[in-house]
Amino acid sequence: GAGVSQSPSNKVTEKGKDVELRCDPISGHTALYWYRQRLGQGLEFLIYFQGNSAPDKSGLPSDRFSAERTGESVSTLTIQRTQQEDSAVYLCASSPGWGSYNEQFFGPGTRLTVL
Amino acid sequence: GENVEQHPSTLSVQEGDSAVIKCTYSDSASNYFPWYKQELGKGPQLIIDIRSNVGEKKDQRIAVTLNKTAKHFSLHITETQPEDSAVYFCAASKGNNRLAFGKGNQVVVIP
Repeated sequence: GAGVSQSPSNKVTEKGKDVELRCDPISGHTALYWYRQRLGQGLEFLIYFQGNSAPDKSGLPSDRFSAERTGESVSTLTIQRTQQEDSAVYLCASSPGWGSYNEQFFGPGTRLTVL
Repeated sequence: GENVEQHPSTLSVQEGDSAVIKCTYSDSASNYFPWYKQELGKGPQLIIDIRSNVGEKKDQRIAVTLNKTAKHFSLHITETQPEDSAVYFCAASKGNNRLAFGKGNQVVVIP
């Protein structure tokens, strides 16, 4: 079946512009996660959704970052007034249910470059 | 919060040899430890995981061992093959939906 998809695959933007990154989870997966991966680094947790509720937003690095999810479907991560330090690969994952014991299935990521 | 450290950062092995990657974690409440493999241009993929009530788990050529007292866990790959070349990430969680990842380990299998 279809896996997690993300769009765009690459995004180049100028400093100060807003960007929207999209994630389509696996159908039926109730949990959705966003991570940031800087070059040569591990995955940095940003936020997760259970349904369309976000119980844990503490990983968002600043108030320029926000995310929303429509039902148990698509999610968008928005970065306002982008800065060069926002350059990274943004990964989305989904899992079938609640709790960390559920495998997280990752998308291919969106590579964001802020000039 | 949880701090996961992973070493060595790069590991080169001859095809057919074994590879071992070690991770340490800081939070004794962590109880779930997955390993992910990331190939170039792709998202990470779960390859094996272990819960804190188990000391070792095997799946064909891959095994994970956990030492709760020392707070470290290791990934063992036997009979390495070129397709094992990738970046491997360990992670730890307290069951709160939040995985803390290590920085990754580049494994290179030399044919």
